[in-house]
Amino acid sequence: EDQVTQSPEALRLQEGESSSLNCSYTVSGLRGLFWYRQDPGKGPEFLFTLYSAGEEKEKERLKATLTKKESFLHITAPKPEDSATYLCAVQATGGYQKVTFGIGTKLQVIP
Amino acid sequence: NAGVTQTPKFQVLKTGQSMTLQCAQDMNHEYMSWYRQDPGMGLRLIHYSVGAGITDQGEVPNGYNVSRSTTEDFPLRLLSAAPSQTSVYFCASSWHRNTEAFFGQGTRLTVV
Repeated sequence: EDQVTQSPEALRLQEGESSSLNCSYTVSGLRGLFWYRQDPGKGPEFLFTLYSAGEEKEKERLKATLTKKESFLHITAPKPEDSATYLCAVQATGGYQKVTFGIGTKLQVIP
Repeated sequence: NAGVTQTPKFQVLKTGQSMTLQCAQDMNHEYMSWYRQDPGMGLRLIHYSVGAGITDQGEVPNGYNVSRSTTEDFPLRLLSAAPSQTSVYFCASSWHRNTEAFFGQGTRLTVV
């Protein structure tokens, strides 16, 4: 069974304090790994898709990386507006290409 | 360009009542899906559609029906609401089943 485990569950950072969020996964065959951001009371918003080990993608203060067993979302010099829950999801090959979501990491950035 | 629009935003139902959650997208996406989000659990797929006239079951389909008569609309029907269906429901659309999803704002449903 496909599984996604995100850690930590919650993270509190001072503004400017860089850190990383972890997404560990097991999947029969990886078609892609997605990162989403979710603000309270809103739907998830797409950030990145990674397809193969070694791949990296960046957007403003965020950088996502992928290995064969996990993905990291690095946040450099975060600002309060980066506060949100960050969701990781893996899509399997085969079948209906099921997407399995993690529970998320709730990030709070304090001014 | 509104993206994915869900209505209503909030709903309270009594056990046994039926209702339809509406979802519409204006991006001409072929793939649409419904998820539910519960505390301590990741988003779980209820039903999905790869195009007009084609629907299929996801991970947790029991108690829900869907139809897709047009590319734009993908309503979710609760046939006889149960307290276990209390959740936040998200509709999503994407160009293809393996491209990034665009989510609606969600419907918070409480069944009493």
